[in-house]
Amino acid sequence: EAQVTQNPRYLITVTGKKLTVTCSQNMNHEYMSWYRQDPGLGLRQIYYSMNVEVTDKGDVPEGYKVSRKEKRNFPLILESPSPNQTSLYFCASSLYPQVGEQYFGPGTRLTVT
Amino acid sequence: GIQVEQSPPDLILQEGANSTLRCNFSDSVNNLQWFHQNPWGQLINLFYIPSGTKQNGRLSATTVATERYSLLYISSSQTTDSGVYFCAVGSDAGGTSYGKLTFGQGTILTVHP
Repeated sequence: EAQVTQNPRYLITVTGKKLTVTCSQNMNHEYMSWYRQDPGLGLRQIYYSMNVEVTDKGDVPEGYKVSRKEKRNFPLILESPSPNQTSLYFCASSLYPQVGEQYFGPGTRLTVT
Repeated sequence: GIQVEQSPPDLILQEGANSTLRCNFSDSVNNLQWFHQNPWGQLINLFYIPSGTKQNGRLSATTVATERYSLLYISSSQTTDSGVYFCAVGSDAGGTSYGKLTFGQGTILTVHP
């Protein structure tokens, strides 16, 4: 089954404790992206990747890191999480950056206390 | 960056009614997608429609790229149509905009039985 998976689905952590949210797709898509969703602010793009070893900043990259060492995986790293990073996070992928449907993972609800 | 405005922000319907959701954008685009976020938070791609008209069952969409807007039509609405509808666009300005996808604030649709 074609899908985008994220783990964990729910995470409660404390300020400053490094964490990684994994994202994997099995559709051989070139493009992958991370978004955060906050009430009243909609979905905002954090980082995106147009292919292996090619990543770029979205609209809200501060406090986040990403890497794309393999085509299927695109982890989101929070080196020192802060309470303002409490949010619902989505990973997505599409065949090409500007062409075709974007498929979303199920979301990761992160709470930083 | 490109601005995306959706209207109306909220919409309440009785089952069986028809509705039109609008998405205005501030610059020329080469990527426009409509998504539905169901009450459980899952984001589903409805249409990839940078121009023209598409139909899928009770849903159809039209994008008039030259006038910078897109419309999503829902006919004979059902309670399962409830949720948030997002429009997302990718600018064709190139450069640092390539690969970015900007979301509107969404339209919250509630369909009553």
